[in-house]
Amino acid sequence: KQEVTQIPAALSVPEGENLVLNCSFTDSAIYNLQWFRQDPGKGLTSLLLIQSSQREQTSGRLNASLDKSSGRSTLYIAASQPGDSATYLCAPEDNYGQNFVFGPGTRLSVLP
Amino acid sequence: SQTIHQWPATLVQPVGSPLSLECTVEGTSNPNLYWYRQAAGRGLQLLFYSVGIGQISSEVPQNLSASRPQDRQFILSSKKLLLSDSGFYLCAWSRPVRTPLTEAFFGQGTRLTVV
Repeated sequence: KQEVTQIPAALSVPEGENLVLNCSFTDSAIYNLQWFRQDPGKGLTSLLLIQSSQREQTSGRLNASLDKSSGRSTLYIAASQPGDSATYLCAPEDNYGQNFVFGPGTRLSVLP
Repeated sequence: SQTIHQWPATLVQPVGSPLSLECTVEGTSNPNLYWYRQAAGRGLQLLFYSVGIGQISSEVPQNLSASRPQDRQFILSSKKLLLSDSGFYLCAWSRPVRTPLTEAFFGQGTRLTVV
């Protein structure tokens, strides 16, 4: 059974810092891995999808890397802004391409 | 473009009452559909997923059930709600199995409070 952990659980930083959010998963036989953002009381917004054959994916100030064999993914946020404050979730997808297993999330607070 | 609709946004129901949450997807065919629950301070728990009409897989035994009467409609139900059913319920869809980009997209969620 896939288990996902995320470190740190919470992070509070001043505006402008570059950030690293970590995700680890126990079963490396994944199809894709997706990073999401969740604002309080809201649904999830997809940020990046990394296919299992890829090493990284970039979108604006976000860069996600994937080391499938070691069961790790990292989300880099460059030049953080207060608007980046949210909970960030990673979700590897099983190798059947059907189920996503979510980590507990990293709650990020960027202070102005 | 594809969109997902989930309603209602908030719901307060007494213990023992029935439940029906509805989710519809537009702009795609034969999507995979999912119901997740997020309890306060906890991660997302997969409740049900469906790869086609009438095909429902349950991940967690509970007093909830799901149905898919149409290709792009997914319904979460309960005959008698429990206090422990309170939480934030999220519907999601992704492209069919083995398409290259099975990215998941989520609805805005339903905040259910059982009193």
